[in-house]
Amino acid sequence: DTGVSQDPRHKITKRGQNVTFRCDPISEHNRLYWYRQTLGQGPEFLTYFQNEAQLEKSRLLSDRFSAERPKGSFSTLEIQRTEQGDSAMYLCASSLTLSANYGYTFGSGTRLTVV
Amino acid sequence: AQRVTQPEKLLSVFKGAPVELKCNYSYSGSPELFWYVQYSRQRLQLLLRHISRESIKGFTADLNKGETSFHLKKPFAQEEDSAMYYCALSPGRRGSNYKLTFGKGTLLTVNP
Repeated sequence: DTGVSQDPRHKITKRGQNVTFRCDPISEHNRLYWYRQTLGQGPEFLTYFQNEAQLEKSRLLSDRFSAERPKGSFSTLEIQRTEQGDSAMYLCASSLTLSANYGYTFGSGTRLTVV
Repeated sequence: AQRVTQPEKLLSVFKGAPVELKCNYSYSGSPELFWYVQYSRQRLQLLLRHISRESIKGFTADLNKGETSFHLKKPFAQEEDSAMYYCALSPGRRGSNYKLTFGKGTLLTVNP
């Protein structure tokens, strides 16, 4: 599968625990994005990387959230001290930097449930 | 700030009928507009982009800057078109990051 891979597909955690998600983008894509989607809403931007540099973070991304892309390949999104409001689908996407905007390729997402 | 509005959460049509999914946007510059589709149990995928002026699976969408709209249309709906459709906006070339802002989506059901 040469698409965007996310792991795990589902995660159930107790409130207060830390969780980490992984995203493997399409190998030649230099941009990587994290989005969050809650029920009845469209995806909301969290952060994005160009290669290993994190270039923008949404104000939705509280101090409990951190994302890394250490070698410009895969990325991790960590949520510390999870809260019930963090329950959502976390989507990763990747794209190429081109003069034309070809849009994103999305992964299948990681569904987080905080109990 | 940019905003995308999809006024219909649900849209139900019969097979063979025309379908139009509405999308209105708010952005001060010249945006790039997209339609994404999510079929049942599948990942979100790009359907079409306004800059390519293409027709995908019989769907077309025209950017109307005067009305700030980017409605998705298909003359004859098929059952396999049933899915969630999201309209999305990017700041475009002047926007340095191609960050997408999505609408809340419209669930299209095509009945036999």
